[in-house]
Amino acid sequence: DIQMTQSPSSLSASVGDRVTITCRASQNITDYLNWYQQRPGKAPKLLIYATSSLQSGVPSRFSGSGSGTDFALAISSLQPEDFATYFCQQSSRTPWTFGQGTKVEVK
Amino acid sequence: EVQLVESGGGVVKPGGSLRLSCEVSEFTFSNAWMGWVRHVPGRGLEWVGRIKSLLDGKTTDYAAPVKGRFTISRDDSKNTLYLQMNSLKPEDTAVYYCTTERFRSPHYFGYWGQGTLVTVSS
Repeated sequence: DIQMTQSPSSLSASVGDRVTITCRASQNITDYLNWYQQRPGKAPKLLIYATSSLQSGVPSRFSGSGSGTDFALAISSLQPEDFATYFCQQSSRTPWTFGQGTKVEVK
Repeated sequence: EVQLVESGGGVVKPGGSLRLSCEVSEFTFSNAWMGWVRHVPGRGLEWVGRIKSLLDGKTTDYAAPVKGRFTISRDDSKNTLYLQMNSLKPEDTAVYYCTTERFRSPHYFGYWGQGTLVTVSS
């Protein structure tokens, strides 16, 4: 199975900050990397698919980059509604696997 | 608006069984690949398995920890997805989400239900 490792596990930030979360795959997944946001008590929501394609309705302050084994999710200017947990997920081969999550908290 | 509504969660003893349902609306269910993802406390999100559309043979795929114990099925006439869980273990305790999966590459989980909690405990 492909292992996905996110860092950091959590971070503290303020509204307006730029935030970057990284995700590393245990083997080459080309660009088959998705990002999800999960707010407390809510279902995960797709933000970005295929490394850098923004899902419809997702604000442009979210962006994704990377290829091969190293990927990143950036939030250019953190908004109050962005305090949540973020998960990466590889869709290169089954079983689909997720990173352990990065919790973005208020500083 | 697309809606996925899970039901059937609850408390069950180890070795017991439970069947989850997921009713889908405002979505072309019969053409969709559908699946289940669970959120295990302390372990994050885990893919459980999926079922392809009738056009793709209703083929199923499962994660290793549940293979042989869980069965995914669908009733396209009712727009409903099912997860039959047998021989349940304490480590199956999780919130179970019903998801849609894009049927061609790149695959991703586009829509999610609100989740249903399954607790396996004596």
